[in-house]
Amino acid sequence: QVQLQESNPGLVKPSGTLSLTCAVSGGSISRSNWWSWVRQSPGKGLEWIGEIYHDGGTNYNPSLKSRVTMSVDKSKNEFSLRLTSVTAADTAVYYCVRSVVIGINEDINFFDPWGQGTLVIVSS
Amino acid sequence: DIQMTQSPSSLSASVGDRVTISCRASQSINNYLNWYQQKPGKAPNLLIYAASRLQSGVPSRFSGSASGTEFTLTISSLQPEDFATYYCQQSHSAPPTFGGGTKVEIK
Repeated sequence: QVQLQESNPGLVKPSGTLSLTCAVSGGSISRSNWWSWVRQSPGKGLEWIGEIYHDGGTNYNPSLKSRVTMSVDKSKNEFSLRLTSVTAADTAVYYCVRSVVIGINEDINFFDPWGQGTLVIVSS
Repeated sequence: DIQMTQSPSSLSASVGDRVTISCRASQSINNYLNWYQQKPGKAPNLLIYAASRLQSGVPSRFSGSASGTEFTLTISSLQPEDFATYYCQQSHSAPPTFGGGTKVEIK
């Protein structure tokens, strides 16, 4: 079955750029799925950051859109997140997730599976 | 954004108890509501999608129901491995949003 594994940047300095990569195994990233990033912090709970399709199409959370860029590398079967101008508020566990879409009208969607998550701390 | 409000934020229960967790949406989301279970140090895990459809491999003691903008997750007989935090999530409108979570603790 599909498994996801985030890279581990660990510590990022304030005003810097957070970069994460998610390796997909057990299936092709080019199948008909969207691939998402979700983060979890004590202060804001679970927050969807955005998603990317294998053709490069993206949708971002408006609250983060000005700072987020996602990309996909089909040759490596992985997708990436870039978040600029980070502050302490961006400290969180970051998860990469498959966004599954099903149903006759393709109107049912959910997140499954999730990567194990990686803690990113923004600190000088 | 659609706001998802869970209640209670925590509860204490014993093995064998019937447990219900509520989730209310700030506007109509039809039945586009998912439930996840999260154990400490682990990622969330999908339990139920589309309000009442059980994900493959999830025990049948878990069930979901809906009434308007009110959704309920029920655990019919709580097992030791069910002590965890549960989250609802709406998939009706972008951006998808999550409830604040309900922590189920051992009484």
